Amino acid sequence: QQQVKQSPQSLIVQKGGISIINCAYENTAFDYFPWYQQFPGKGPALLIAIRPDVSEKKEGRFTISFNKSAKQFSLHIMDSQPGDSATYFCAAEKETSGSRLTFGEGTQLTVNP
Amino acid sequence: GAGVSQSPSNKVTEKGKDVELRCDPISGHTALYWYRQRLGQGLEFLIYFQGNSAPDKSGLPSDRFSAERTGESVSTLTIQRTQQEDSAVYLCASSERGTGGYTFGSGTRLTVV
Repeated sequence: QQQVKQSPQSLIVQKGGISIINCAYENTAFDYFPWYQQFPGKGPALLIAIRPDVSEKKEGRFTISFNKSAKQFSLHIMDSQPGDSATYFCAAEKETSGSRLTFGEGTQLTVNP
Repeated sequence: GAGVSQSPSNKVTEKGKDVELRCDPISGHTALYWYRQRLGQGLEFLIYFQGNSAPDKSGLPSDRFSAERTGESVSTLTIQRTQQEDSAVYLCASSERGTGGYTFGSGTRLTVV
């Protein structure tokens, strides 16, 4: 019930294209869904997050789409750039319980020039 | 401090030696987490401290691993009798009240030779 499944494991996109990474969760009590971005040699950094009271959140070129009934959420990177090449992790938690995040397995994104 | 600070940034040790890794969380963050990340892999949860509550040690892989935290400040992760399979990046993160977005340090890269 605590798992978060992430796909694909790796993704190659051309510059200017749309990158889409998907996550599915099992625990319906989860109420906070962040995405983290990790560059080589660095720790993951919070990129964008959503709570289930909205179906979409957009920040610049990054959008989270959330489907509560399907228990799925996805990250869309519009106009992908080579600088977006990194590993992306989705995560989920029941925020008010003081529990910890459950992370997906990660997606290695490569954006070719 | 402004961010989560980890030391050392790199550590090379001989098999069988003990190592201590240090994490300085963001001031005021009550929650502190340790994760392990093997090369090209995801985030493996190790241990979670939340205020004065008993730590969640459910991710520690063996009794060679232990961690301490004094109050809401510095934490040390100790690995005794290191093995080659312990080679990885050890990441520390902190957050406010155990909820919401984590701030990760840059990690300690441990190499056991």
